Amino acid sequence: EAQVTQNPRYLITVTGKKLTVTCSQNMNHEYMSWYRQDPGLGLRQIYYSMNVEVTDKGDVPEGYKVSRKEKRNFPLILESPSPNQTSLYFCASSLVGDSNQPQHFGDGTRLSIL
Amino acid sequence: QKEVEQNSGPLSVPEGAIASLNCTYSDRGSQSFFWYRQYSGKSPELIMFIYSNGDKEDGRFTAQLNKASQYVSLLIRDSQPSDSATYLCAVNIYDYKLSFGAGTTVTVRA
Repeated sequence: EAQVTQNPRYLITVTGKKLTVTCSQNMNHEYMSWYRQDPGLGLRQIYYSMNVEVTDKGDVPEGYKVSRKEKRNFPLILESPSPNQTSLYFCASSLVGDSNQPQHFGDGTRLSIL
Repeated sequence: QKEVEQNSGPLSVPEGAIASLNCTYSDRGSQSFFWYRQYSGKSPELIMFIYSNGDKEDGRFTAQLNKASQYVSLLIRDSQPSDSATYLCAVNIYDYKLSFGAGTTVTVRA
């Protein structure tokens, strides 16, 4: 089954404790992206990657890091989480070819930073 | 000005009626437009995409695009309770970057 898999689905942690949210897709997609979703603000892009070893900042990259060492994986790293990073996070992927390619979303990760 | 704006909800419609959702965007160079549906606590799922002016129909859903006026709309005909969800408008700004509106929550009353 074609899918984007995120882990963990839920996480409660404390300020300053490094965490990683993993994202993996099995569709051989070149493009991968991370979003955060907050009430009233919609989906905002954090980082994206056009292919292996190619990453770029989205609209709200502060406090986050990413890497793309393999095509299928695109982990999101919070080196020193803070309460304002409490949010619902989505990973998405798509083919690269034309701008009509839809993005496929993972099931989401709900992070609570205390 | 936000890149993508949607009419603020929530929108409540009776079962069987037409739900009309609107979205405007600021970048005239935008080429592709998407409507996603998101149930509470779930991930967005693609309903429609459109890139040519005019209407595009898929079952009970019709997307309408007017590039000159910079708006895209979604009509849901014969609304069902299962259509109750938040609808997100997304616009391809450049390359593969999507900019999303804040969403419009639709409630279909049985």
